[in-house]
Amino acid sequence: RKEVEQDPGPFNVPEGATVAFNCTYSNSASQSFFWYRQDCRKEPKLLMSVYSSGNEDGRFTAQLNRASQYISLLIRDSKLSDSATYLCVEANSGYALNFGKGTSLLVTP
Amino acid sequence: GAVVSQHPSWVICKSGTSVKIECRSLDFQATTMFWYRQFPKQSLMLMATSNEGSKATYEQGVEKDKFLINHASLTLSTLTVTSAHPEDSSFYICSATGQTNQPQHFGDGTRLSIL
Repeated sequence: RKEVEQDPGPFNVPEGATVAFNCTYSNSASQSFFWYRQDCRKEPKLLMSVYSSGNEDGRFTAQLNRASQYISLLIRDSKLSDSATYLCVEANSGYALNFGKGTSLLVTP
Repeated sequence: GAVVSQHPSWVICKSGTSVKIECRSLDFQATTMFWYRQFPKQSLMLMATSNEGSKATYEQGVEKDKFLINHASLTLSTLTVTSAHPEDSSFYICSATGQTNQPQHFGDGTRLSIL
């Protein structure tokens, strides 16, 4: 199975900080990319899809670089509630998702 | 939005017991459902792909005779862990989607503990 690699962290940042996560994938045929958020002992929840043109949703910005095979997630003005594990996910043909191990974020007061 | 229900959310059983986990798509038809397993501090690992009306496709290293999957309808898939042992203790999560390469919707997960 092709790999999805993430820095496990943890990233400890103060409230209000900007933090960025990167993720690399090895399968050049990957077609779709997502960022999921997983809280401790909970199921993953979709944070946002990642488009080639880049996309923004409020304080979150995701970008895809197909040439270098990485995607990124930028979180601005971090909130305490942003503390979670962020999972980088790619999908090849078909439906199945391939997850990275996740990057832990802890936002502190 | 799309909702996937998974039941039970927590199971504690003795070694040797078989455990059935249900995954239901509540407001959409899921031709394909997926079963994942997550050990502590590990990523979610796909166990099998469940297709309605046909046999499940298992990932390498996953025993099909141990993890029985039945996808009898477009809204229900079940995973049965047969003769569970302590090493099967894990977080099992199902997901479902109606479209290729679209985000999947996850169930709440089942935390399985085998004593």
